[in-house]
Amino acid sequence: GQNIDQPTEMTATEGAIVQINCTYQTSGFNGLFWYQQHAGEAPTFLSYNVLDGLEEKGRFSSFLSRSKGYSYLLLKELQMKDSASYLCAVTLRGGYQKVTFGIGTKLQVIP
Amino acid sequence: EADIYQTPRYLVIGTGKKITLECSQTMGHDKMYWYQQDPGMELHLIHYSYGVNSTEKGDLSSESTVSRIRTEHFPLTLESARPSHTSQYLCASSEGRGGGETQYFGPGTRLLVL
Repeated sequence: GQNIDQPTEMTATEGAIVQINCTYQTSGFNGLFWYQQHAGEAPTFLSYNVLDGLEEKGRFSSFLSRSKGYSYLLLKELQMKDSASYLCAVTLRGGYQKVTFGIGTKLQVIP
Repeated sequence: EADIYQTPRYLVIGTGKKITLECSQTMGHDKMYWYQQDPGMELHLIHYSYGVNSTEKGDLSSESTVSRIRTEHFPLTLESARPSHTSQYLCASSEGRGGGETQYFGPGTRLLVL
C-alpha cells in the first residue's frame, strides 16, 4: 500500500514564506502532485514533480527527493487567499494513472 | 481551464432512493475518476475508467456503480441511498497518455441522505 504523511494544520503570516512537507512510502513511485483545495471546493492543480529537484512556478515552488521519499511545497509572499488545504498526491507506475492523496495540510494565513 | 461539470451540486434525499450523479467533460479525456471525500478527510478513489466501456473499482469499496458509454460522460449511481453514503463526490478526468498527467476536477456533488 501507500503511506503519505503531511502536517494536518499550519499557520503563517501574510507576506511570509511557508514550507509544507510531505513524506511518502510507496512501491512503484512515478511522481508527486501538489493540489490546492479551498474549503468546499474541488482540488486544483499546482505542480507535478517526477525528477529530483526544485521546480518554481511564480510564488509556488515544489521540491522532490525520490531517494528520501520527500517533497515540499514552498509558498512565498503569502496572501490571505492562500488559506486552503494543500494536498500531496503520489502517482504510481502502471498502465493507468493511479493517484493516492494524502489527507492534506490546512494552511491558515493570518494578517 | 478545465471543462468538467457535475450535477447536481447539492442533493438531499431520503433513504432507499435511487440517485445518479452526473459528470461530463468536454476535453476529450480518456480517463475519468470518481472520488469520495468526507469533510476534513482525504480523497478516496472509488471508481475509474480508461475509456469507453472500461470501468474499474478504486481503493475504497463503494456500493455505487458507474458506466462509461460515451467518452464525455461518467455517471455514478446509487441504487438505494443510505445515510452512510452522505459525503462529497468529486469527478475528475485526465488525458490518459501515460503516467503523471494532471487530473482536472469537477466542482463536486454534496450528497446528504436522511
